[in-house]
Amino acid sequence: EADIYQTPRYLVIGTGKKITLECSQTMGHDKMYWYQQDPGMELHLIHYSYGVNSTEKGDLSSESTVSRIRTEHFPLTLESARPSHTSQYLCASSEAGQLNEKLFFGSGTQLSVL
Amino acid sequence: AQSVSQHNHHVILSEAASLELGCNYSYGGTVNLFWYVQYPGQHLQLLLKYFSGDPLVKGIKGFEAEFIKSKFSFNLRKPSVQWSDTAEYFCAVNQGGKLIFGQGTELSVKP
Repeated sequence: EADIYQTPRYLVIGTGKKITLECSQTMGHDKMYWYQQDPGMELHLIHYSYGVNSTEKGDLSSESTVSRIRTEHFPLTLESARPSHTSQYLCASSEAGQLNEKLFFGSGTQLSVL
Repeated sequence: AQSVSQHNHHVILSEAASLELGCNYSYGGTVNLFWYVQYPGQHLQLLLKYFSGDPLVKGIKGFEAEFIKSKFSFNLRKPSVQWSDTAEYFCAVNQGGKLIFGQGTELSVKP
């Protein structure tokens, strides 16, 4: 069973606040991802990491930033949240190796910015 | 860039009906294809995947998918659905080591 955790599960905040969405996995996976999903829409890759100190922007432009200081931890930060950031954010991880793209997903963070 | 299109946003079926969910991708080269499922209140999880070989792939819970290269398609099928199959289903394709997802199809199975 996958062990990837996201906190908080739900977050409602006001405009202009700085927030950090946490994501941790205990499987020792090198590759981690952040996806953004709006209702009825695709999951859009916004950030990914192939290992410690490696971060890349995904296909969908995002004002958020990420860091990967430890293998197990891949937090996402918004310096100044806006209503347009309201969305569901999904964290995922997978083992290294391009062909083995079985992703393990967290339960997601539903972010609402008022 | 690769894109994935799922034709149905919401499908409603009665138990024992047959299911086919459409999925098309845009890139014509070598592809790895996936179906993920999210049951209510649960995480997204892998249902089945195609890398190479037999284009008919069998997954968990009686699901299968057929890769048709000439049609750029990877449709998901199940001969007889159950109420417990109610979930959201996502098709995905591997592009450069990253997964590109479709918009998902919500399946509701009436008991």
